[in-house]
Amino acid sequence: DQQVKQNSPSLSVQEGRISILNCDYTNSMFDYFLWYKKYPAEGPTFLISISSIKDKNEDGRFTVFLNKSAKHLSLHIVPSQPGDSAVYFCAAIGGSQGNLIFGKGTKLSVKP
Amino acid sequence: DTGVSQNPRHKITKRGQNVTFRCDPISEHNRLYWYRQTLGQGPEFLTYFQNEAQLEKSRLLSDRFSAERPKGSFSTLEIQRTEQGDSAMYLCASSPRGGGSQPQHFGDGTRLSIL
Repeated sequence: DQQVKQNSPSLSVQEGRISILNCDYTNSMFDYFLWYKKYPAEGPTFLISISSIKDKNEDGRFTVFLNKSAKHLSLHIVPSQPGDSAVYFCAAIGGSQGNLIFGKGTKLSVKP
Repeated sequence: DTGVSQNPRHKITKRGQNVTFRCDPISEHNRLYWYRQTLGQGPEFLTYFQNEAQLEKSRLLSDRFSAERPKGSFSTLEIQRTEQGDSAMYLCASSPRGGGSQPQHFGDGTRLSIL
């Protein structure tokens, strides 16, 4: 009963192109979503978040889109850079105490 | 502003032994979370502290697990009588308050390997 799903284990894109990472969720009560990036042997690093009352949030090369009716969000990275190669986790605020519910992650490879 | 610090980075132990991990959150962050991550999975919530009070525990936290946060500063996670299934990365995170506007900051984790 995974509440946050990332159905693509991996994604490969060319440097300079757009990377689109997708995430689906099942609980309509989630009110905040976050994206984290993780390099090997390091902890997850916060990238960008979005409140459920918005449909878009942008920060530099990173934009997150939220479609509440479809229970779907996506992270767009434009332009993609080799340093963006990492595992990206989608997460939702899952409890009253703010604990995060994570997807399984998508490994992004950006090729020069 | 130093980040979240976790020690040790790696721990190898025999099945049945007890282990203890330490987490030093970002100073003045009153919220502290422990997560566990296994291969191919995202981090899974274990427990949450607000200051020194442990306010929530996941059902993943069996009786062999105990966590403390004395004086609301650093936290420790102890696993007694370790089992093979305890092998995982244990992550600590802190935040000044809950909610997405103040995201959790993670440490680099302690990787536990049970022989």
